Amino acid sequence: AQSVTQLDSQVPVFEEAPVELRCNYSSSVSVYLFWYVQYPNQGLQLLLKYLSGSTLVKGINGFEAEFNKSQTSFHLRKPSVHISDTAEYFCAVSDRPAGNTGKLIFGQGTTLQVKP
Amino acid sequence: DVKVTQSSRYLVKRTGEKVFLECVQDMDHENMFWYRQDPGLGLRLIYFSYDVKMKEKGDIPEGYSVSREKKERFSLILESASTNQTSMYLCASKRDGRSTGELFFGEGSRLTVL
Repeated sequence: AQSVTQLDSQVPVFEEAPVELRCNYSSSVSVYLFWYVQYPNQGLQLLLKYLSGSTLVKGINGFEAEFNKSQTSFHLRKPSVHISDTAEYFCAVSDRPAGNTGKLIFGQGTTLQVKP
Repeated sequence: DVKVTQSSRYLVKRTGEKVFLECVQDMDHENMFWYRQDPGLGLRLIYFSYDVKMKEKGDIPEGYSVSREKKERFSLILESASTNQTSMYLCASKRDGRSTGELFFGEGSRLTVL
């Protein structure tokens, strides 16, 4: 069975500092990997996804993530955060191919708190 | 843009009441999902549907049922609400299971059971 572990429940960081949110997964098959963001009182929206090809994936709002197959990780990074990046971030995995369901398994979430 | 609309943002119900959470998507997506979101637990899949009248249990289906009579609408039903079902409920849709596209989420329905 697949699982996703986000290693930090909360990450406090000062504005303009770099940040890394960590995600590890386990799966017996090839996977697709995703990062979603949830701003306060909103639903989730996709930040970026890894399907195949280059292991460095760039997403919206200056975020990027690197797929590391040997370490089964998909860490999210941003070189300089802004106050508006304060949100909860979720890592997710699905089987590849997704069959007829396309369901995602989500991690526990990491709250990024950007301080002025 | 794809829009997923959840009918109620906030609900307060009493123990034992029947609760309906409605979700509508406007992009002809085949797959629809209900997740439950709790602090420290992330999102857990309750039920999903990959076609009209088709449904499958997710990881935590106990105490819930679903209905999908039309392609655009996916309802979550709590037959007899209990306090441990107090949570945020998120509906999502996807074009189909074979696509690598993203899930589109509604804004959530926060349910409090007293």
